[in-house]
Amino acid sequence: DAKTTQPPSMDCAEGRAANLPCNHSTISGNEYVYWYRQIHSQGPQYIIHGLKNNETNEMASLIITEDRKSSTLILPHATLRDTAVYYCIVRSWTGNQFYFGTGTSLTVIP
Amino acid sequence: EAGVAQSPRYKIIEKRQSVAFWCNPISGHATLYWYQQILGQGPKLLIQFQNNGVVDDSQLPKDRFSAERLKGVDSTLKIQPAKLEDSAVYLCASSSSDRGSDSPLHFGNGTRLTVT
Repeated sequence: DAKTTQPPSMDCAEGRAANLPCNHSTISGNEYVYWYRQIHSQGPQYIIHGLKNNETNEMASLIITEDRKSSTLILPHATLRDTAVYYCIVRSWTGNQFYFGTGTSLTVIP
Repeated sequence: EAGVAQSPRYKIIEKRQSVAFWCNPISGHATLYWYQQILGQGPKLLIQFQNNGVVDDSQLPKDRFSAERLKGVDSTLKIQPAKLEDSAVYLCASSSSDRGSDSPLHFGNGTRLTVT
């Protein structure tokens, strides 16, 4: 079952940073936080993941709070192609399962 | 590296008929997942394989759904008989990791099933 809470929708102006929040207050110490996005008619695409430290790759940055109860995905310069549904997932440690919630629908506005 | 392959891309059947979906994971990936995604919802895990063994099928409606992963590579998901509420996208994903690793899932583009 999903262990994360996300706002259902957000807007962001093109060229600005998109900050997508996620609450995972029941996360265990050895569980990772993953972010995926899904564009219409495609399968979910992996973005980034982290355990305790902040992470950055070519797509995004992931900021995890010190108590690990929440995180923020940052798309530094949003483009129209970033319009998608973004899922925050806590990976089950015991069984290696990924449980998706309902995600955040991000709309990048020209 | 080639991605997760799924077929068919689309399928339309009448209720009470049967249907099968096929998935070829990324080469070398030991873990394979099937998800069901109903329009407007996030993907729901149906079944997880580790090699050719089932790890988790707690959310699989076993009266009508079945899945197998022969030889620990390709997998098929079958529905028999189909109901209207089975209309959804069926996603296959694979991962190289075992428990305790942090390798991400890689998804195929899914099979869109419409039951009329």
